[in-house]
Amino acid sequence: NAGVTQTPKFQVLKTGQSMTLQCAQDMNHNSMYWYRQDPGMGLRLIYYSASEGTTDKGEVPNGYNVSRLNKREFSLRLESAAPSQTSVYFCASSGHPPGTDTQYFGPGTRLTVL
Amino acid sequence: AQKITQTQPGMFVQEKEAVTLDCTYDTSDPSYGLFWYKQPSSGEMIFLIYQGSYDQQNATEGRYSLNFQKARKSANLVISASQLGDSAMYFCAMREGPRDSSYKLIFGSGTRLLVRP
Repeated sequence: NAGVTQTPKFQVLKTGQSMTLQCAQDMNHNSMYWYRQDPGMGLRLIYYSASEGTTDKGEVPNGYNVSRLNKREFSLRLESAAPSQTSVYFCASSGHPPGTDTQYFGPGTRLTVL
Repeated sequence: AQKITQTQPGMFVQEKEAVTLDCTYDTSDPSYGLFWYKQPSSGEMIFLIYQGSYDQQNATEGRYSLNFQKARKSANLVISASQLGDSAMYFCAMREGPRDSSYKLIFGSGTRLLVRP
């Protein structure tokens, strides 16, 4: 059981370039999330997918798009990267098991936009 | 107004002693959940403990316990018998709304804990 995996671990982009961050979970969870963490701050929700086939905006969606490819995979796309998008990106998933709806996180992707 | 407030940016504790990390929250929803996560220097987010708003008892998980004071809207994390490996950032987070229809976690800004040998 790998849990939540993310690729790549590190990425450097130039302003205006595009890229897709990949996330996959093997816990059969229904819901998946993308967060960003800026230095010295907590995580902020970018987008989430409550279930396969649905996506919704979080707190900071501007400049991003997402795709829930199937139940396992949820990708985050930056169409035209900006320096303000330099951050650490975390993917998470949750499955409403009996008791709690705990979100489990991937290891993160550290993105730098020059 | 901030939904989750962690007022201690940094704290020290002596190894083997107990430490309390503060968290206050703000919500008018009667159904909510409170979470604590640990983020070591390696960067991953590790789930520690959960408390539901309707739970009668304070949550406990090994050396972690959650001091839940609903009227004061506080959910402090207590770590007993601190270990050097407890040195990390600790984040309090809240889910507003029932767990089967609410999906967003709101995070505090975190508390950095340093355990001294």
